[in-house]
Amino acid sequence: AQSVTQLGSHVSVSEGALVLLRCNYSSSVPPYLFWYVQYPNQGLQLLLKYTSAATLVKGINGFEAEFKKSETSFHLTKPSAHMSDAAEYFCAVSEINAGNMLTFGGGTRLMVKP
Amino acid sequence: DGGITQSPKYLFRKEGQNVTLSCEQNLNHDAMYWYRQDPGQGLRLIYYSQIVNDFQKGDIAEGYSVSREKKESFPLTVTSAQKNPTAFYLCASSTSGRRDTQYFGPGTRLTVL
Repeated sequence: AQSVTQLGSHVSVSEGALVLLRCNYSSSVPPYLFWYVQYPNQGLQLLLKYTSAATLVKGINGFEAEFKKSETSFHLTKPSAHMSDAAEYFCAVSEINAGNMLTFGGGTRLMVKP
Repeated sequence: DGGITQSPKYLFRKEGQNVTLSCEQNLNHDAMYWYRQDPGQGLRLIYYSQIVNDFQKGDIAEGYSVSREKKESFPLTVTSAQKNPTAFYLCASSTSGRRDTQYFGPGTRLTVL
């Protein structure tokens, strides 16, 4: 089974600073990869997804992620953090040979300091 | 507006009671999913259904049951056999392709008293 590791359950940045949230996956075949955001007591909203086209994927709210096969990584970045970016972020992998099943990482809570 | 609705938003249950969480979608999606979310553990798949009248167990199906009698509805029953049911429950739906996005409802927070 595939697995997803998000390094750092909590990340704190200052407003205006670079946001970097890390995601590594285990798979012998490049999977499809997703980043979701969750605000308190709400469902998940898709930020962006990689489906084997361009390795640099741009998403909503100024976020982007780069697929690096050699590093089995799909880290999420944003050049300048905004207070409204404070939320929990989940990386997910689409299971191979299992339809559209997703395997989620444990999540990273992003805190933005004024 | 197209989307996924879950009800109720908050649910309280006494130990030993079964409860049913509602999930409805008007996106015309074939596939629907139920996840459980606990702090620090991400989302774990309980059940999924790729077509009406068919569903499969996910990673943590014990103590849960589902039905899929209509395309737009996928209710989840938390039975008294579930040892630790207090959690946030999320429903999602998607079309059937592997690259297709899963869309999530707003969630139901279940608390066992």
